[in-house]
Amino acid sequence: QKEVEQNSGPLSVPEGAIASLNCTYSDRGSQSFFWYRQYSGKSPELIMFIYSNGDKEDGRFTAQLNKASQYVSLLIRDSQPSDSATYLCAVNSGGGADGLTFGKGTHLIIQP
Amino acid sequence: GAVVSQHPSRVICKSGTSVKIECRSLDFQATTMFWYRQFPKKSLMLMATSNEGSKATYEQGVEKDKFLINHASLTLSTLTVTSAHPEDSSFYICSASPSGGGADTQYFGPGTRLTVL
Repeated sequence: QKEVEQNSGPLSVPEGAIASLNCTYSDRGSQSFFWYRQYSGKSPELIMFIYSNGDKEDGRFTAQLNKASQYVSLLIRDSQPSDSATYLCAVNSGGGADGLTFGKGTHLIIQP
Repeated sequence: GAVVSQHPSRVICKSGTSVKIECRSLDFQATTMFWYRQFPKKSLMLMATSNEGSKATYEQGVEKDKFLINHASLTLSTLTVTSAHPEDSSFYICSASPSGGGADTQYFGPGTRLTVL
């Protein structure tokens, strides 16, 4: 059974600070890793994906992957109140023909 | 950008009736579409993989006779919840991958909220 674990939070971060979101996964054969943001009542929207060990930066967002530790994280710099949402970590073990396995999500609150 | 639509966005039905949800890729062809379900305060759970022109692949624990999936064209997949019961009330979300695309190009629809009375 593939599992993706996240701390459900809420994680409260002051505006302008760095928010750090963490995720672990059980399937060592996982190949693709994704971070989605979901607002209440809405469907997920893709923030970033990462395939290789190390860091990947996109604007204020940095994804970090450590396959040896089966750990993936998302850093949000200069946090804004609009970043307040639930962040879902998702993992794909195949090459695109497989659906995603999602974690339960971390509820992030950015305090003005 | 790639757009996936779902219809209806919200549906309320009586227990025992069937409900059909449509998922369309508006500006790309999708060989594969995925159906997810999300209960309140829970994560998305993959229900099934819909393959154009062939039978859907269901995840363990998902009843294929209850959740009928049809993927008759490269731009449309439908999910029919048959004989719906209150425990089927959930947020149903589809996603679509452009033909030849990898997992990073999986686009989500806006979701359909089903309430069974």
